[in-house]
Amino acid sequence: DSGVTQTPKHLITATGQRVTLRCSPRSGDLSVYWYQQSLDQGLQFLIQYYNGEERAKGNILERFSAQQFPDLHSELNLSSLELGDSALYFCASSVGSSGKETQYFGPGTRLLVL
Amino acid sequence: GENVEQHPSTLSVQEGDSAVIKCTYSDSASNYFPWYKQELGKRPQLIIDIRSNVGEKKDQRIAVTLNKTAKHFSLHITETQPEDSAVYFCAASIIGYSTLTFGKGTMLLVSP
Repeated sequence: DSGVTQTPKHLITATGQRVTLRCSPRSGDLSVYWYQQSLDQGLQFLIQYYNGEERAKGNILERFSAQQFPDLHSELNLSSLELGDSALYFCASSVGSSGKETQYFGPGTRLLVL
Repeated sequence: GENVEQHPSTLSVQEGDSAVIKCTYSDSASNYFPWYKQELGKRPQLIIDIRSNVGEKKDQRIAVTLNKTAKHFSLHITETQPEDSAVYFCAASIIGYSTLTFGKGTMLLVSP
């Protein structure tokens, strides 16, 4: 157990819908990262938050957004869902944002868009 | 941005053999190189990492080597066991940034 929690574990929804994925980092970690894992694309970095502020952006679609709250948990919002958004979504956390810290991954949320 | 290439995509070995997975990166400013193991349906877990100020690091049966000049790094697993079967990902991050760029992964299958 990494100490990072994610809910829900599984999510099934229809095209055009909106969903929210939630992540709680390890105690003491200030950085949260979101990744998308699909079979053909591997692990793709989406976005990073550090202590409530957006720190870095990766390959995140405009239909997707995220935020980190004062208690440091983070939410990833996916809207106007398409079939291709079906994937495993991981969040990870680390103590800081200097590039020297280990990232610990949560168990993931498996999203299926029908 | 950074680009990480990983080879091979699949690797089958017999129990007790050694396995080597290789990665190359594009940005010479990268200085942190972790390796993650992901079992089927599970989360990626860090197994070993190396920073650019060292050329090799070892932890029991696992070792990682780094060649900064050639911009490549490798994972070596000796005396493989069936429980080593998993997908292995290499990654790289650039100095001052903590975001990771991952390779596409290597599926390692260790047959008893």
